[in-house]
Amino acid sequence: DQQVKQNSPSLSVQEGRISILNCDYTNSMFDYFLWYKKYPAEGPTFLISISSIKDKNEDGRFTVFLNKSAKHLSLHIVPSQPGDSAVYFCAALTGANNLFFGTGTRLTVIP
Amino acid sequence: GAVVSQHPSWVICKSGTSVKIECRSLDFQATTMFWYRQFPKQSLMLMATSNEGSKATYEQGVEKDKFLINHASLTLSTLTVTSAHPEDSSFYICSAQDRLRTGELFFGEGSRLTVL
Repeated sequence: DQQVKQNSPSLSVQEGRISILNCDYTNSMFDYFLWYKKYPAEGPTFLISISSIKDKNEDGRFTVFLNKSAKHLSLHIVPSQPGDSAVYFCAALTGANNLFFGTGTRLTVIP
Repeated sequence: GAVVSQHPSWVICKSGTSVKIECRSLDFQATTMFWYRQFPKQSLMLMATSNEGSKATYEQGVEKDKFLINHASLTLSTLTVTSAHPEDSSFYICSAQDRLRTGELFFGEGSRLTVL
């Protein structure tokens, strides 16, 4: 049972434009949500997180939005850069401190 | 935002050797740090909870003598995989809880361990 879902396996965006990566979850008890970025043959790199008590967290070009009523979160990257091309995973943390990852979305930023 | 740094991010070692992974909170004090491990095609599972100045609390099924955790200061926790074997190859992530911002967690970038 996939508790964290990323329904778009891929996304292409023009350089300079906004990239919006989406994630849905089913467990209303998740405490934290995280976004990771992964390059080929490397481990995921932590990008940004958000507590379930917040609805927005911003860090430079990256902003995460959380809509608890819809059980939906999104990662906005603006402006998008070619170096942002990677696979992005969202993850959710349970009260028991276990992390559940989505299946990932491959972002391609076109120069 | 607060930063948690893990080092090394990528390590390869021979079977039978020990490997130490560091988790540092760079701009805040962390009374509690958590260590996770990812099994193939599964989510990360909590291995242990580490409190500064005291012994770590291990989850069921995690060998204490195999995975040594030390949290000697408010900014540093270490995980040592002793006598590593290929089945220990995994992705390890730490998270740290800010002492001043109760409940807020920050995550490290993770460490990929490959045991040959």
